[in-house]
Amino acid sequence: GDSVTQMEGPVTLSEEAFLTINCTYTATGYPSLFWYVQYPGEGLQLLLKATKADDKGSNKGFEATYRKETTSFHLEKGSVQVSDSAVYFCALSARETSGSRLTFGEGTQLTVNP
Amino acid sequence: KAGVTQTPRYLIKTRGQQVTLSCSPISGHRSVSWYQQTPGQGLQFLFEYFSETQRNKGNFPGRFSGRQFSNSRSEMNVSTLELGDSALYLCASGMAGGAETQYFGPGTRLLVL
Repeated sequence: GDSVTQMEGPVTLSEEAFLTINCTYTATGYPSLFWYVQYPGEGLQLLLKATKADDKGSNKGFEATYRKETTSFHLEKGSVQVSDSAVYFCALSARETSGSRLTFGEGTQLTVNP
Repeated sequence: KAGVTQTPRYLIKTRGQQVTLSCSPISGHRSVSWYQQTPGQGLQFLFEYFSETQRNKGNFPGRFSGRQFSNSRSEMNVSTLELGDSALYLCASGMAGGAETQYFGPGTRLLVL
């Protein structure tokens, strides 16, 4: 079945540091890929998405490129801020097999210190 | 446009009781999905409804059920609550029910004592 694997956390960085959170997936067909972010006490917010190979999703300084050859969708940001502290989830949706169903990774807790 | 709303936001129940959670999707969205979030199991898919029909179901026992109304609002019900049902229940809505962006509500936090 479909699955998503994220790098183990938590991740602690200093403000203005470079961020990478690794995400790899296993899926049949050609899934859409997403990064969601969850702030304390809140639901999930879509951060960015990519729907086909080599697409780059970007938002608020975050970027991720859909790499079909390595089945990866790593999240990057050049300079993190304290306000980026949250839990980040990588997810996929494989329409051919599962409609709107999202399969999530384990989540990565990011803490950014001033 | 208003986002996805879920009610209630917090619930405390005791074992053996049943509970009903409600989700109102974004206006115009016809797909509603439900997820359970726990520290141990992470985010797990419960079921998806599209145009009042259950289209997809996750691997949860029959105690978990749901429905969708003609206005796309959805409810999920958990009967005979167990301690392990304590979780954050998240609802997500989408326009057409495909591999598109899902927009999540703030969740209902259920505590079973």
